[in-house]
Amino acid sequence: NAGVTQTPKFQVLKTGQSMTLQCAQDMNHEYMSWYRQDPGMGLRLIHYSVGAGITDQGEVPNGYNVSRSTTEDFPLRLLSAAPSQTSVYFCASSRNGDEKLFFGSGTQLSVL
Amino acid sequence: GQQVMQIPQYQHVQEGEDFTTYCNSSTTLSNIQWYKQRPGGHPVFLIQLVKSGEVKKQKRLTFQFGEAKKNSSLHITATQTTDVGTYFCAGPTSGTYKYIFGTGTRLKVLA
Repeated sequence: NAGVTQTPKFQVLKTGQSMTLQCAQDMNHEYMSWYRQDPGMGLRLIHYSVGAGITDQGEVPNGYNVSRSTTEDFPLRLLSAAPSQTSVYFCASSRNGDEKLFFGSGTQLSVL
Repeated sequence: GQQVMQIPQYQHVQEGEDFTTYCNSSTTLSNIQWYKQRPGGHPVFLIQLVKSGEVKKQKRLTFQFGEAKKNSSLHITATQTTDVGTYFCAGPTSGTYKYIFGTGTRLKVLA
């Protein structure tokens, strides 16, 4: 089992560019979620999904889009990157929404 | 908005000293989970508490969940250099699947 796989590990974008952060899990987890981590602020929930075809907004959804067409994959799309989106992004999954989260290794994103 | 504060923000201890971090949520949580993140790494699950007033021990670590399910604590006895990292509390707000994370406590252990 690879667990939760995130790609890429590092990315530099220019303001206005779009990109997709990939997240895949091989544990057949129903629940998947995206977080951003900024210094001194802990992790903040961007979007989450409780199963294929179902997504919902978290605390900081603006500027991000998600979809969940399969149980395994939960990509995060930045529509038009802004410097305020410079952060470390983590994807996490759990068997359902109430149990422990398994995190990917993270993506360090810089928007210039 | 809903938030979870952790204190202290930073803690430096000598190896062998005890350490405690406190977690206070503005809203009721369905359960409380604790995670440890090493520098440059990702959060790793430590434990989950579900019932109000619950206490769990894991070797040198003791975790408590408050009666109102809004606060929690993590106590480490006789810290070791391997305990270095940032400790986060987290949990889904009651009745939802929306996780909120604490602000974290960064622990440094001096040998």
